[in-house]
Amino acid sequence: EAGVAQSPRYKIIEKRQSVAFWCNPISGHATLYWYQQILGQGPKLLIQFQNNGVVDDSQLPKDRFSAERLKGVDSTLKIQPAKLEDSAVYLCASSLQGAKTGELFFGEGSRLTVL
Amino acid sequence: SQQGEEDPQALSIQEGENATMNCSYKTSINNLQWYRQNSGRGLVHLILIRSNEREKHSGRLRVTLDTSKKSSSLLITASRAADTASYFCATVAAGANSKLTFGKGITLSVRP
Repeated sequence: EAGVAQSPRYKIIEKRQSVAFWCNPISGHATLYWYQQILGQGPKLLIQFQNNGVVDDSQLPKDRFSAERLKGVDSTLKIQPAKLEDSAVYLCASSLQGAKTGELFFGEGSRLTVL
Repeated sequence: SQQGEEDPQALSIQEGENATMNCSYKTSINNLQWYRQNSGRGLVHLILIRSNEREKHSGRLRVTLDTSKKSSSLLITASRAADTASYFCATVAAGANSKLTFGKGITLSVRP
């Protein structure tokens, strides 16, 4: 069974530039999560989708971050414009029906460095 | 905000010894999960324990949950060098949607 795919694995940009990350979850998984993990810290939830609807985006900085999940499958996370403090690993995870019923499967992450 | 707080923040043991990691949380939960993260990699699920369970086992892993104290512990028996990683506890709050909130993590080093 294929895992959660993310790209790119690494991205270096200058502040005020824009960047987009892509995630392809495990086939059939209804729930998709984007987490931000700053070095030395635990993952922080940015947004959670159930199929193509947003369940929770309370911690998403909406002035610069946006995310969508078209057709309830792939998802993209965009940052525009980037700030220095956005340097982090962006983790995508998927789950069959959500963390209330089972485990999350994580991708390898996309490491962003903002200069 | 981070729900779980792991203790200790870092742990260094000799191969073959047992490693015990603790997690405390603040609000009532639906379930608690433990994950492992090797350096530069994604997180891997280890075990899920529900609020009505007290103990679960999976191979060399043993997880306990004490809802009266709002705490959980992860025991790794007969540790191996390959167990070197960061370990995170994460919780789903009771009555909430499926939001999984992580703690800051514990860095485990197992010396060969």
